[in-house]
Amino acid sequence: GAVVSQHPSRVICKSGTSVKIECRSLDFQATTMFWYRQFPKQSLMLMATSNEGSKATYEQGVEKDKFLINHASLTLSTLTVTSAHPEDSSFYICSANSGQGPLSGANVLTFGAGSRLTVL
Amino acid sequence: AQSVAQPEDQVNVAEGNPLTVKCTYSVSGNPYLFWYVQYPNRGLQFLLKYITGDNLVKGSYGFEAEFNKSQTSFHLKKPSALVSDSALYFCAVPLGDSWGKFQFGAGTQVVVTP
Repeated sequence: GAVVSQHPSRVICKSGTSVKIECRSLDFQATTMFWYRQFPKQSLMLMATSNEGSKATYEQGVEKDKFLINHASLTLSTLTVTSAHPEDSSFYICSANSGQGPLSGANVLTFGAGSRLTVL
Repeated sequence: AQSVAQPEDQVNVAEGNPLTVKCTYSVSGNPYLFWYVQYPNRGLQFLLKYITGDNLVKGSYGFEAEFNKSQTSFHLKKPSALVSDSALYFCAVPLGDSWGKFQFGAGTQVVVTP
């Protein structure tokens, strides 16, 4: 089945530094990937849609200059948290559409295992 | 606007007892409804979905969900809960035409005690 890999799974950084999180589709090509953010014991909030070869689409209230998204290939999207601050500490989860529509027997969306960012 | 609601923050059940996790929906047009499960520090795993057809949908790990149009509900059920079912469960609905953008419910923590 479709697999999405995220790296790193955990990262701790100092305030003011930038952190890059990678999201890879391992056995399928994904022209579109999605980045979610999850605070402790809360639901997932969609941050942005990553589009291969073009600019990402950000949800309302998400700072595009703070959360840089690059989708340079059909299997890789990266999220860079720039000048990270403690309030950016969160669990970031990416997902990718394997291309099969909901009427097929397959799952529509595959999620990565997530990346926990802690900013000191 | 498409949305789902999970009225319970937490559900406690003894192992072997039936488990129900509630979800109600508000969608325009035909509802496409999903259930995902999240284990600690992990991403989401797909359990099941309702697209069309039978109101009772069977999914992974012995879970099933019943689509009820009159009550706008899509409750997740398992006849006999296991301790390993303890996790965070999310009901979700796709946003717009994109099959990757989801609106998730607030999540329900399921605690199964031995």
